[in-house]
Amino acid sequence: AQSVTQLDSHVSVSEGTPVLLRCNYSSSYSPSLFWYVQHPNKGLQLLLKYTSAATLVKGINGFEAEFKKSETSFHLTKPSAHMSDAAEYFCVVTFTGRRALTFGSGTRLQVQP
Amino acid sequence: SAVISQKPSRDICQRGTSLTIQCQVDSQVTMMFWYRQQPGQSLTLIATANQGSEATYESGFVIDKFPISRPNLTFSTLTVSNMSPEDSSIYLCSVGRVPTEAFFGQGTRLTVV
Repeated sequence: AQSVTQLDSHVSVSEGTPVLLRCNYSSSYSPSLFWYVQHPNKGLQLLLKYTSAATLVKGINGFEAEFKKSETSFHLTKPSAHMSDAAEYFCVVTFTGRRALTFGSGTRLQVQP
Repeated sequence: SAVISQKPSRDICQRGTSLTIQCQVDSQVTMMFWYRQQPGQSLTLIATANQGSEATYESGFVIDKFPISRPNLTFSTLTVSNMSPEDSSIYLCSVGRVPTEAFFGQGTRLTVV
């Protein structure tokens, strides 16, 4: 069975400091992994995806994530937080043969001025 | 990419009634997915809708409560039947060539009173 665990339900950072949102997955097969962002009252937006190519994935708005098979992790990082990054972030997993996505519980990112 | 339109965007309904949510995609897709996001929670897959066949429901979701139609390759409906306050959620339609991509509608915010 596949699952995804977001280790922090809330993360608070100061503007201009680094962001780290942690995600671990469990999958019997080679996974595909995604990070989505959901701003208040907005739809889901894809930040980045890993689909068995480069292990370091760059996404939009300066975010990136590294796939570490040995640690079964796919943590999301950004060097410098911006106020507009405040949102809910979802780590998502699927694998070949399954068309639907399994969502983590989400991490709410707060950015303090 | 795919553009997904959901209607209605939000609704307030009386308990015991039913609401049908429409999902229109701007291109033909084989599979469409319906998710639920309860308040403060992550997304949970309700069912997968294939054109020309019965929808496939996930554990905990049944056809009598969430009947789905898929009359063609660009359209699907989800009905929430005999609603109770516990059905208050955001319902999202999704399409895409998972695992490489997935697109989401803006969602339907349902409040049952």
